[in-house]
Amino acid sequence: AQSVTQLDSQVPVFEEAPVELRCNYSSSVSVYLFWYVQYPNQGLQLLLKYLSGSTLVESINGFEAEFNKSQTSFHLRKPSVHISDTAEYFCAVAYKGGNKLTFGTGTQLKVEL
Amino acid sequence: GAGVSQSPSNKVTEKGKDVELRCDPISGHTALYWYRQSLGQGLEFLIYFQGNSAPDKSGLPSDRFSAERTGGSVSTLTIQRTQQEDSAVYLCASSTERTGGGPTRETQYFGPGTRLLVL
Repeated sequence: AQSVTQLDSQVPVFEEAPVELRCNYSSSVSVYLFWYVQYPNQGLQLLLKYLSGSTLVESINGFEAEFNKSQTSFHLRKPSVHISDTAEYFCAVAYKGGNKLTFGTGTQLKVEL
Repeated sequence: GAGVSQSPSNKVTEKGKDVELRCDPISGHTALYWYRQSLGQGLEFLIYFQGNSAPDKSGLPSDRFSAERTGGSVSTLTIQRTQQEDSAVYLCASSTERTGGGPTRETQYFGPGTRLLVL
């Protein structure tokens, strides 16, 4: 069965500092990878996804994630965070052709002044 | 356009009672998912509907849980004889499905969730 590990439950960081949220998955077969974000008092929304092609994917608000097949990782990074990035971030994986996403337990990113 | 809506937003019930949770997906979305988010846990897949195909019920935790989708649109998740461990946020999501590659490559659009508390 697939599993997703987000080792850090909370990541505090100062504004304008870089951040990396880690995600590792268990599957060795072809997968799709996603990061979803949940801002305070809002629903989950897609941040970015890897389907195929370039292993580096970017979001419109400056986040990027790199698919590393050998390390089965899909870490999320941002070179300079803002207060508005405070949210919970969920990594998810799906088999190609499958029916469901398997989510990690989430990482709470708290950006401080 | 309108997003995924869920009702009620909050539900408090007594142990042993039945509850019904409703999801109204985005118009035109053929795929519909239910997830459960318990405190300190990730999102747990419950069930998946796609058009007129038989649903994938592999994530339902017990036979007390059931779901239906009428007319390929609105879905209802029913929990019978609720237990305290059923307390969680129940999330619904919908997506399109392109031909080939399966539904999971498509972005899932989530509703705001129903927060269920079983006393």
